[in-house]
Parts: sequence; C-alpha cells; structure tokens
Amino acid sequence: EVQLVESGGGLVQPGGSLRLSCAASGFTFSSYAMSWVRQAPGKGLEWVSSISGSDSSPHYADPVKGRFTISRDNSKNTLYLQMNSLRADDTAVYYCAKNDLVVVASHPDYWGQGTLVTVSS
Amino acid sequence: QSVLTQPPSVSAAPGQKVTISCSGSSSNIGNNYVSWYQQLPGTAPKLLIYENNKRPSGIPDRFSGSKSGTSATLGITGLQTGDEADYYCGTWDNSLSARVFGTGTKVTVL
Repeated sequence: EVQLVESGGGLVQPGGSLRLSCAASGFTFSSYAMSWVRQAPGKGLEWVSSISGSDSSPHYADPVKGRFTISRDNSKNTLYLQMNSLRADDTAVYYCAKNDLVVVASHPDYWGQGTLVTVSS
Repeated sequence: QSVLTQPPSVSAAPGQKVTISCSGSSSNIGNNYVSWYQQLPGTAPKLLIYENNKRPSGIPDRFSGSKSGTSATLGITGLQTGDEADYYCGTWDNSLSARVFGTGTKVTVL
C-alpha cells in the first residue's frame, strides 16, 4: 500500500525558512517522479514543484522559483521541499504526491494527507 | 491564476447525472493526457480518472472521462450524496513546463 506522510509544517514569520519532508513507503521510490502541490485556505490546487525519479531533475512553478528547492533522498525514500524567503501568500496545506511515472510530466496518482504551513508575524 | 477553466459549481438530484467541463489550450489539454481528482471536504485529493478516460482500481464506473481537442469532461452518473466534493482537472503544460490544475468545481447533490 502506497503511503506518503508529510511533516515539517508550522508557523513561520515572513522572510523565514521551513523544510518539509515526505516519507514514502509501499513502492519503489526511485522509480517515480514526486511532486509538491499546495492549497491555500478556501482555494484550489496549485502545483508547486516536481522532481524526476531518474536524474532528480527539478521543475518549479513561477511563484516559488528561486525561493523553494525540491530534492529527494532515494536511500531514505524521502522527498523534501526547502522553502526560503517565505511570504504570506505561501500559506497553504502542502501535499506530497507520487507521480505515475519516472518523468515529471506524469500525473500524480497518490497523495499524502498534507501539512499546514502558515506564514504570519 | 489557473490556465484550465472549470465551472465553479454544478448540482443535481440524487440518481441524476452531472458533467464538469475543463477548458484549456493546445499547450496543455490539446497535447497531453488529462486527469481528474476528487477532494472530499477536509481530505486530500484522490485520483478519479487518468489518461483522459481510465479509472484507477476501486473507482466505480459511475465516473467517466473524455477529451476532445482542448477540452475535457468528467461525468458522474447515479449521483450520490457521497459524491459531494470539489473536483479538479489537471494536465501538463508544455509551454510552462509545469503541471496545471483547473479552477475546481463544487458538486452539490440537491
């Protein structure tokens, strides 16, 4: 059974940093691309970033480029999202998702339960 | 601002059918597979349809998907109260090199 468990969310001041983690199990982690998708309170889904399963090539949404860094540790079956220079509009539930294939253009097929990030002074 | 447009809401009585449209462009829907997600209140999204019209194991055949040109459609037949949720379409956008999601549609069972 595929399981994705996010952690690392919390309250942070504007301009601060946070690192999210996603522990994966139930599948061969290195064989699949992984994604982060966020959802601001009362809003829709917004793709944040994806990383391929082969060469760990990252892709980012424009609003987070230069501030967020996605990475993965295939030996630990863990996905990360390093978030720097956080802004109020980064406040959201952040979901970790497994993609259907090794390439980032594949669709997310399993989602974690999400972790809430609140950026506020 | 999403590049995929969905109606904000649709509704129907129990047992009836609803359809949800997802409008995009040649850089996304027109040249890539579409997937659909169901998000029940307070929960994570769940994959309903992938590759335009395929259902993952465990998804009832009351849910169907189709694609034509730069638009896609999700259909739900035999509507049940448990289908009340937000539904999102998604695909890859070749111009943006980004995954894009629709604006979301709230389904209400009257």
